[in-house]
Amino acid sequence: DGGITQSPKYLFRKEGQNVTLSCEQNLNHDAMYWYRQDPGQGLRLIYYSQIVNDFQKGDIAEGYSVSREKKESFPLTVTSAQKNPTAFYLCASSILGAANGPQHFGDGTRLSIL
Amino acid sequence: GQQVMQIPQYQHVQEGEDFTTYCNSSTTLSNIQWYKQRPGGHPVFLIQLVKSGEVKKQKRLTFQFGEAKKNSSLHITATQTTDVGTYFCAVDNYGQNFVFGPGTRLSVLP
Repeated sequence: DGGITQSPKYLFRKEGQNVTLSCEQNLNHDAMYWYRQDPGQGLRLIYYSQIVNDFQKGDIAEGYSVSREKKESFPLTVTSAQKNPTAFYLCASSILGAANGPQHFGDGTRLSIL
Repeated sequence: GQQVMQIPQYQHVQEGEDFTTYCNSSTTLSNIQWYKQRPGGHPVFLIQLVKSGEVKKQKRLTFQFGEAKKNSSLHITATQTTDVGTYFCAVDNYGQNFVFGPGTRLSVLP
């Protein structure tokens, strides 16, 4: 979707390295989400945020961290504690309140281990 | 949190055949959304259902919300190769976030 920009498209991580995935939206959405998708699998929620300076853990938050200093931005850091980071990472945003509308997704970042 | 199941996991059809995927929950849902993800792409919103027994159509796609609001279906009439992808349902997780089903992967043979 044109309203959400994820970068980079491809990312390679070395052992013991932290990497940060960028997610920016210009849709004026309050809620933002990070999902992990493994090949042939569904989407698993890592973190979500409903308001600036506040965020909540999803189902698989271990080894990841986030920040929400601005409404438009919700970067995800994959830390060295995440031992199996190879996956497709998707950022999404929505109007606050699940019943209010759909999630808009970015094009995703594919992360691999070197 | 919410849990949602989808069946089948995979479906292979000949072009022109119909296709249906089902999404089931053990609890009553406030609403349900459907998304399509093309191979190598990101999920794209298709529709949201809110009312019990609701039926919505988008060209060859028909979406239905069960009377008890615990299940939903997506039916595609006369599939085309452009329908290839994975279809996900997503449900509201008590107003906090969304829970996605595992998806149904559709292959269409020309």
